Amino acid sequence: AQTVTQSQPEMSVQEAETVTLSCTYDTSESDYYLFWYKQPPSRQMILVIRQEAYKQQNATENRFSVNFQKAAKSFSLKISDSQLGDAAMYFCAYRSPSSGGSYIPTFGRGTSLIVHP
Amino acid sequence: DAGVTQSPTHLIKTRGQQVTLRCSPKSGHDTVSWYQQALGQGPQFIFQYYEEEERQRGNFPDRFSGHQFPNYSSELNVNALLLGDSALYLCASSGNIVPSYEQYFGPGTRLTVT
Repeated sequence: AQTVTQSQPEMSVQEAETVTLSCTYDTSESDYYLFWYKQPPSRQMILVIRQEAYKQQNATENRFSVNFQKAAKSFSLKISDSQLGDAAMYFCAYRSPSSGGSYIPTFGRGTSLIVHP
Repeated sequence: DAGVTQSPTHLIKTRGQQVTLRCSPKSGHDTVSWYQQALGQGPQFIFQYYEEEERQRGNFPDRFSGHQFPNYSSELNVNALLLGDSALYLCASSGNIVPSYEQYFGPGTRLTVT
């Protein structure tokens, strides 16, 4: 079974600075998807960024980018120009290309990001 | 376009009781997954419904059951509630959109068992 590890229970950053959240995963598959989800205090989880393992180029969405190191099984999230609204729990998730057709992601335990004004 | 909706928002139950949680998927989605998120943890997969049948199940006891209706909405039922069932229950919907079949989450139902 795949596992996802987020070793940083909590991270803090000053507004306008850059922070990197770490994630490692364990898999024997060569093709898969990786995700970062954001869960603000209001609880609704939203997708921040997605990476397909077969793509060598790191995904980028505005201020959010990833550093995908396939050989090292590492998938970190970099948030640039941090804003107060970035404060939330961030979950890293792994998903096989096909899990019996059900596409169920495995989540890490999350990293709580605190943004200081 | 309405996203995933869940009801109720909060619920307080007593040990041994039964509870039903409801979820309406995002428009155009036909698959509903349920997750349990304990405090300080990531979501844990309970089960997934597609075409009104349970397609896959996580490591949860039979006290957890579900249903999907013809309009794709879904219910999660938990019988004989235990204190450990206190958690945020998330519903997520997805559709057959290649290639990633992303899941869209609802706001969750906070269940407290006393």
